Amino acid sequence: DAGVIQSPRHEVTEMGQEVTLRCKPISGHNSLFWYRQTMMRGLELLIYFNNNVPIDDSGMPEDRFSAKMPNASFSTLKIQPSEPRDSAVYFCASSRTGSKNIQYFGAGTRLSVL
Amino acid sequence: DQQVKQNSPSLSVQEGRISILNCDYTNSMFDYFLWYKKYPAEGPTFLISISSIKDKNEDGRFTVFLNKSAKHLSLHIVPSQPGDSAVYFCAAGAGSYQLTFGKGTKLSVIP
Repeated sequence: DAGVIQSPRHEVTEMGQEVTLRCKPISGHNSLFWYRQTMMRGLELLIYFNNNVPIDDSGMPEDRFSAKMPNASFSTLKIQPSEPRDSAVYFCASSRTGSKNIQYFGAGTRLSVL
Repeated sequence: DQQVKQNSPSLSVQEGRISILNCDYTNSMFDYFLWYKKYPAEGPTFLISISSIKDKNEDGRFTVFLNKSAKHLSLHIVPSQPGDSAVYFCAAGAGSYQLTFGKGTKLSVIP
């Protein structure tokens, strides 16, 4: 079975541009998580969806960040406008009810905002 | 305010010896703990977990110990192998599906 698929793997953009990160969770998983990893702050939860509904977005840094999950097999994280401090690795993870909190991660998107 | 702390950023161990990675937490509501392993340019992968009702869980070379009174858990790898070289993250959950992660410990196993 395919794991969590993220695209693109690398994104380099200029400050002020819109960035869209994509995630396809594991089939049958009903929870999806977006994380950001930086050296300073480690792995931070940005937003969590359950059954396609955003449950907790308290980790989203500011209004420039938005996330959607239009269906069970696709989610996006958008940054508009992007800033250099958004440079980080962004991970998507999914899990299934009854799996005892075990989350399965994608390979991540390394974002560089110049 | 870090609720999950891994105080050792790095650890070096000789091949064949035991590796012990430590993790402390502050939130007494956490009832499930997990360890993840991460190789460069890959996402974290689940390694082993433990429920708060247990004090030990073993899976092959990997054992996790939980000391609830001290709010401390540790991961033991015996024997350590060069392929174990990676960053190890401790994570904790409190009933919901959300996890709080530590900042990780980079383990280097020297052949």
